[in-house]
Amino acid sequence: DSGVTQTPKHLITATGQRVTLRCSPRSGDLSVYWYQQSLDQGLQFLIQYYNGEERAKGNILERFSAQQFPDLHSELNLSSLELGDSALYFCASSVAPSRAEQYFGPGTRLTVT
Amino acid sequence: GESVGLHLPTLSVQEGDNSIINCAYSNSASDYFIWYKQESGKGPQFIIDIRSNMDKRQGQRVTVLLNKTVKHLSLQIAATQPGDSAVYFCAENSGYSTLTFGKGTMLLVSP
Repeated sequence: DSGVTQTPKHLITATGQRVTLRCSPRSGDLSVYWYQQSLDQGLQFLIQYYNGEERAKGNILERFSAQQFPDLHSELNLSSLELGDSALYFCASSVAPSRAEQYFGPGTRLTVT
Repeated sequence: GESVGLHLPTLSVQEGDNSIINCAYSNSASDYFIWYKQESGKGPQFIIDIRSNMDKRQGQRVTVLLNKTVKHLSLQIAATQPGDSAVYFCAENSGYSTLTFGKGTMLLVSP
């Protein structure tokens, strides 16, 4: 158990809908990262937050957004969902942005039908 | 469990053998390289990392080798065990600790 929690574990929704994925980092970690894992694209970095502020952006679509709250938990919002958004979404956390050791949560499996 | 890829390169070894998993990276400016292990249905788990100013680092039963000349990284697992069966990813730190992951290699260990 990495100490990072994610909810829900599974999510099934229809095209065009909006969903919110939630992540709680390890106790003491200030930095949160979101990744998407699909069969054809592998693990892709989406976005990073540090202590409530956006720190870095990767291959995140404009339909997706995220935020980190004062209690350091983070949410990833996915809107206008398409079939191709079906994937595993992982959250990871680290003590600080400069630390390479990121601890991953168990992931949320999103299925868009 | 969850499948992370249907067309991953696969390394099959016998229990007790040593395993070597290879990875080519793309960014010569990357300053950190990390190996992660992902078991079916779980998130990636940190194994070991190495800075770009090193060429070798050892952990418990694992060794990472870095060859910057040819942009190649390898993970050696000694005395491989069935519990080592998983998908292994190399990742490079591209800045602000954002990681770029390789496609992964599936390691299958037979008892």
